[in-house]
Amino acid sequence: NAGVTQTPKFRVLKTGQSMTLLCAQDMNHEYMYWYRQDPGMGLRLIHYSVGEGTTAKGEVPDGYNVSRLKKQNFLLGLESAAPSQTSVYFCASSIGVARTEAFFGQGTRLTVV
Amino acid sequence: AQSVTQPDIHITVSEGASLELRCNYSYGATPYLFWYVQSPGQGLQLLLKYFSGDTLVQGIKGFEAEFKRSQSSFNLRKPSVHWSDAAEYFCAVGASGTYKYIFGTGTRLKVLA
Repeated sequence: NAGVTQTPKFRVLKTGQSMTLLCAQDMNHEYMYWYRQDPGMGLRLIHYSVGEGTTAKGEVPDGYNVSRLKKQNFLLGLESAAPSQTSVYFCASSIGVARTEAFFGQGTRLTVV
Repeated sequence: AQSVTQPDIHITVSEGASLELRCNYSYGATPYLFWYVQSPGQGLQLLLKYFSGDTLVQGIKGFEAEFKRSQSSFNLRKPSVHWSDAAEYFCAVGASGTYKYIFGTGTRLKVLA
């Protein structure tokens, strides 16, 4: 069972380049999330989605866009990458009830040079 | 505002010793609480969760946690640590009504042979 799958796993970008990170889940979860993980700062929510066709901003949304055209996929886009976006990005999904846990992908390590 | 605090950034214990990782939360209502573990290069895996009932909850890999409402704490414990427990541990709270998860900054555990 795949769970939450992120692609790619690693990427190096030059400043100003764009890219899209793909997250796919096969658990029929309504809610999906994008987090970034930086040393000493834990996980910070970038954007999230409460269902197909909907998205909402998290605590650090600037410089990122997202789309949820299909229930199982949640895309994170960087239009013009900056060195400050060097991070590890995690996608997660959940049923959408706060007492249930989120399931995480393996992460994407992005370096912007 | 909701928040999660993990006071210890790093903890080092000897193999076979007991372990306690601290977590304090700030939340107005009954919290939904989680502990996740992240092994190097991996995503986050759920260790255990609490949302109601018995305040001592058992999780995987021999971990347990105790919810103490009076202290706003949800500390993680293990009686005897194994070298494979070396990882980063995250405490999180599920925010009822918003369906978001708020994470602490993590505690990195080192295990000495």
